[in-house]
Parts: sequence; C-alpha cells; structure tokens
Amino acid sequence: NAGVMQNPRHLVRRRGQEARLRCSPMKGHSHVYWYRQLPEEGLKFMVYLQKENIIDESGMPKERFSAEFPKEGPSILRIQQVVRGDSAAYFCASSPYLRDTGFAFFGQGTRLTVV
Amino acid sequence: AQSVTQLDSQVPVFEEAPVELRCNYSSSVSVYLFWYVQYPNQGLQLLLKYLSGSTLVKGINGFEAEFNKSQTSFHLRKPSVHISDTAEYFCAVSDRSGATNKLIFGTGTLLAVQP
Repeated sequence: NAGVMQNPRHLVRRRGQEARLRCSPMKGHSHVYWYRQLPEEGLKFMVYLQKENIIDESGMPKERFSAEFPKEGPSILRIQQVVRGDSAAYFCASSPYLRDTGFAFFGQGTRLTVV
Repeated sequence: AQSVTQLDSQVPVFEEAPVELRCNYSSSVSVYLFWYVQYPNQGLQLLLKYLSGSTLVKGINGFEAEFNKSQTSFHLRKPSVHISDTAEYFCAVSDRSGATNKLIFGTGTLLAVQP
C-alpha cells in the first residue's frame, strides 16, 4: 500500500510564474489536506478537500492560491504569480476520515523555492 | 479555536539520557492530541496519538506521552534516546467534534542527540 505521494519533491519557480503541486492520497482515502511549512515554523493548515469538493479553505490565502481534488487524478495545489514569500515546504496529508482515529498520513512534501 | 505551545525550540541531550519534550494546548472544546516526528527533508510521521481512554499513550520508537487534562499538557518522553532520534518533533491537536480533522500544530522542538 503506497503512501501519500507528492510531486515534484523540489520545485523552483521565478517570481510571477505558476507553481502546480500534486498529491495522490493513499489508496482508499478520499480526504486530502494541504499544509504549508514556512522556514523555522510549524505546519499551518491551508485547505481540506474531498473528491470534487472543498470542505474547509479557511487557511488559504485569499488571492493566487487554489486547490482542487477531481473525481479522477491527484489533488492539485496551484499558486499563481508566485512571490518570494511563497517559498516553503508544502505537505499533503490524506485520511479515510474515521472519526475515531482522527489522524492523517503525510507525504514527503514539495519544497518550493521562488527565485 | 485551538492553539499549541511548544516552549522549547531546541533540546540538546546526550545519547542514552532521558528526554521530555513539552507541549501545552489551549482549546474551548475537547481535542485529540498527537505527536509527529519529522526527519530532515522528510514528511511527518505519526509517533503517537491520544483519542480517549488511558492517559498514558505509548508510541513507536520507544516514545510515550501523558495527557494531563487539568494542566492541558501532552508531554512526550523517552527514557533513553539514540542518535537516530535526532529530528524535529511536532505536537498537534484536532477538534474532537469538528467537521474536519484538520490539525493545529505547535512550532516544533528540535531534539539534538549528541554522542
């Protein structure tokens, strides 16, 4: 049973370009979470998605950031017109959402560097 | 709303010595509690979790944690550390009755094990 797969592992973008981060959840998991880890900080929740639905996007910046989890294929976190402050590690986690477990499995992250 | 405080940003310790990593939380609702470990350039791995029942929770790699409701603490302990335990450790909570399982993380504690 493969774990949560994220790609690419490292991504370099120039200011103003678009960054597209992909996350394939564990088999059987239909709940995906995205977190951002800024340098020297803990992880901050960004968005929670189920298949074809955004459930909670309270942690997403209002502009330039969007996320989707289509019926087929991986979840995508898209950052338009990247700026230096977007440089961070972005982690995806998936969960079968069993209320009595309450925890998620994390991928290895995508490290975005904006130059 | 919930918050998590890890007062120690870094804990140096000698190999085979005991260690305690402190975690305090604040919440107006009941929460689940977690400890995750992050090795350099890796994703997060669940060490242990408290959902209900016994307040002493045992996890992987010889770690354990004790939930103290009156002190709103969930400190992580290991009686004898190894060099391989050097990593960043994150305490996290999630709302027990929430509609999502999103995690609120502390800022992390770097455990530096020295020979």
